[in-house]
Amino acid sequence: DGGITQSPKYLFRKEGQNVTLSCEQNLNHDAMYWYRQDPGQGLRLIYYSQIVNDFQKGDIAEGYSVSREKKESFPLTVTSAQKNPTAFYLCASNGGGQAGELFFGEGSRLTVL
Amino acid sequence: GNSVTQMEGPVTLSEEAFLTINCTYTATGYPSLFWYVQYPGEGLQLLLKATKADDKGSNKGFEATYRKETTSFHLEKGSVQVSDSAVYFCALSGWSGNTGKLIFGQGTTLQVKP
Repeated sequence: DGGITQSPKYLFRKEGQNVTLSCEQNLNHDAMYWYRQDPGQGLRLIYYSQIVNDFQKGDIAEGYSVSREKKESFPLTVTSAQKNPTAFYLCASNGGGQAGELFFGEGSRLTVL
Repeated sequence: GNSVTQMEGPVTLSEEAFLTINCTYTATGYPSLFWYVQYPGEGLQLLLKATKADDKGSNKGFEATYRKETTSFHLEKGSVQVSDSAVYFCALSGWSGNTGKLIFGQGTTLQVKP
């Protein structure tokens, strides 16, 4: 079945450590997105990529980095510079066919100890 | 800039009650509008969408009508079930250059009691 796979589902990190969240899709979508979800704040866009080897900052990119070396993969690194990294992270993709329809992974919950 | 405002939750209803979750938006141009649903511990799933004024999106008994005159996209369901308990997000396509970049409301939690 086609879809988006995020891993790990749960991740614990000590302060000062970088962590990388994986996002893989087999939908053949060009565009991929990372959102952060905090209670009561909805979703906020971190980074997005419209095509391989290209990506842009979203609204809250500080303390995060991404790469897009393959169409299927869009990993997110949460760096030690991110001051409040504990959150639920959602990856999504869009194939461009239906206006704005995003397909989401099941999310990764990061907790900083 | 573009924005979406949803009614605050939680919304608590008894099974078979009528549901309305209000959503209003501010946008330039002609955005598409969406409702997404998130079940506990999961990602978001598209529930329904409308791409132009007066369109009605519908799915699984849920409906919403794109009202340009009132800049609203309220979600309704005639008879809710316990299995509808989830967080509901209203969203709009916020960037004409990339229709996948969505702006989300803060989400409304729905709790349905038997």
